[in-house]
Amino acid sequence: AQSVSQHNHHVILSEAASLELGCNYSYGGTVNLFWYVQYPGQHLQLLLKYFSGDPLVKGIKGFEAEFIKSKFSFNLRKPSVQWSDTAEYFCAVNAEAAGNKLTFGGGTRVLVKP
Amino acid sequence: EADIYQTPRYLVIGTGKKITLECSQTMGHDKMYWYQQDPGMELHLIHYSYGVNSTEKGDLSSESTVSRIRTEHFPLTLESARPSHTSQYLCATSTDDYNSPLHFGNGTRLTVT
Repeated sequence: AQSVSQHNHHVILSEAASLELGCNYSYGGTVNLFWYVQYPGQHLQLLLKYFSGDPLVKGIKGFEAEFIKSKFSFNLRKPSVQWSDTAEYFCAVNAEAAGNKLTFGGGTRVLVKP
Repeated sequence: EADIYQTPRYLVIGTGKKITLECSQTMGHDKMYWYQQDPGMELHLIHYSYGVNSTEKGDLSSESTVSRIRTEHFPLTLESARPSHTSQYLCATSTDDYNSPLHFGNGTRLTVT
């Protein structure tokens, strides 16, 4: 079945460390890609998105993601994390092949130790 | 700021009861969605609506039903709750644009005993 995969379920790191969360999808054709974040006790909110153009997109709070079409990947990165980045991160794909409905990955729970 | 309101925030209810989870939005978005999320798992689309009087089932089979009589209101109903319905239910909206992001409510965490 076509899907969105986030390989890391839990990540624990210290402040100032670099973060990279993997996201792979299996849809061919045109895709729109998103990363959502859910801070503790808050609702899901958009972190960044890719539709077309420059494959390196920048989002809020210093996050960026790179779309690599040949690898079907859209990995999320942040060079230096803060304690406030503790949250759950979800990759999502809107694909023509999936009827343009948004499909989410399983999420990665990130804990940043102060 | 909350433009999508979900009530109740938490609900614990016995097996066999009928329940309705409320979702209201003030943004005037035509598209509305219900997702189901178990702890540590991905979100699964269970219902969506592209406008008034339009409802469709999502990718994950669900015993729940929805209605869309008004643009701003998209309630989800379970006629007879079972323990297997225990989950978090998230309501979301988006504009008509093909690639517009979703805006989420805070969710309803349902426990059926």
